Amino acid sequence: AQKVTQAQTEISVVEKEDVTLDCVYETRDTTYYLFWYKQPPSGELVFLIRRNSFDEQNEISGRYSWNFQKSTSSFNFTITASQVVDSAVYFCALSDNYGQNFVFGPGTRLSVLP
Amino acid sequence: DTGVSQDPRHKITKRGQNVTFRCDPISEHNRLYWYRQTLGQGPEFLTYFQNEAQLEKSRLLSDRFSAERPKGSFSTLEIQRTEQGDSAMYLCASSLSLAGGPALLDQYFGPGTRLTVT
Repeated sequence: AQKVTQAQTEISVVEKEDVTLDCVYETRDTTYYLFWYKQPPSGELVFLIRRNSFDEQNEISGRYSWNFQKSTSSFNFTITASQVVDSAVYFCALSDNYGQNFVFGPGTRLSVLP
Repeated sequence: DTGVSQDPRHKITKRGQNVTFRCDPISEHNRLYWYRQTLGQGPEFLTYFQNEAQLEKSRLLSDRFSAERPKGSFSTLEIQRTEQGDSAMYLCASSLSLAGGPALLDQYFGPGTRLTVT
C-alpha cells in the first residue's frame, strides 16, 4: 500500500529564515508521481509541484526548492527567506503512474512569524 | 473564473437526511476527483472519473455514498442517511489526462463543501 509520512506536525520560523518540510513516502511501484500542495487559511488547496519518479533533478522555483532522493524515498521542500504569506499547511502526496491511488500525507503546519 | 467550483460551500443537515454536492471542473479537464478532509488531516481519496466513467472507488466510500458525472462535465456526490461521522470538508479536483502519452496529473482543487451533520 502507498503511504506518505510528514513527521513534522507543526513548524514555526521567523520571517526570512529558511525552512525545510520533510516528506517520506512508501510505494511498491517503480513509476510514480510526487506532489506538494499548499493549503492557506482560506482552505483551498494550491498545487505547487509534480515530480515523476524518473526525474531526480532538484527543482527551484523562486524561493521554493525541492529535493527528491529516491534512495531514501524522500521529497523534501525548502522555502528560502520565508515570508508571513507562506504560513499554511503543506501536504505531500503520492500517486501511481496513472494518477490513481492518490495518497496525501497528514500535512505540516508552517507558521512564519513577523 | 475558470477554476474548479463547488456548490454549496457550506451545508448543515440533520442526521438521517440526504445531501447532494455539486462540482464543476475546469472545462477542458477530463478527470474529476472527490476527496474528504477532516480537521487536521490530509485529503482522503474517495473516487474519480475519467470523462463519465467512474474508474476507482475507495473503500471509504460506503453504500450511502454515490457519485455521478453523467455528461463528463460536472459531477454530483450524494450522501444518503447522513451520520455525524460524515461531517467533513468535501473537496473536488480536476485534471487533464492525455491518451497515448504521459498523463498530466496536476490536480486543481475547488474551495470545498463543508458538511456539518447535527
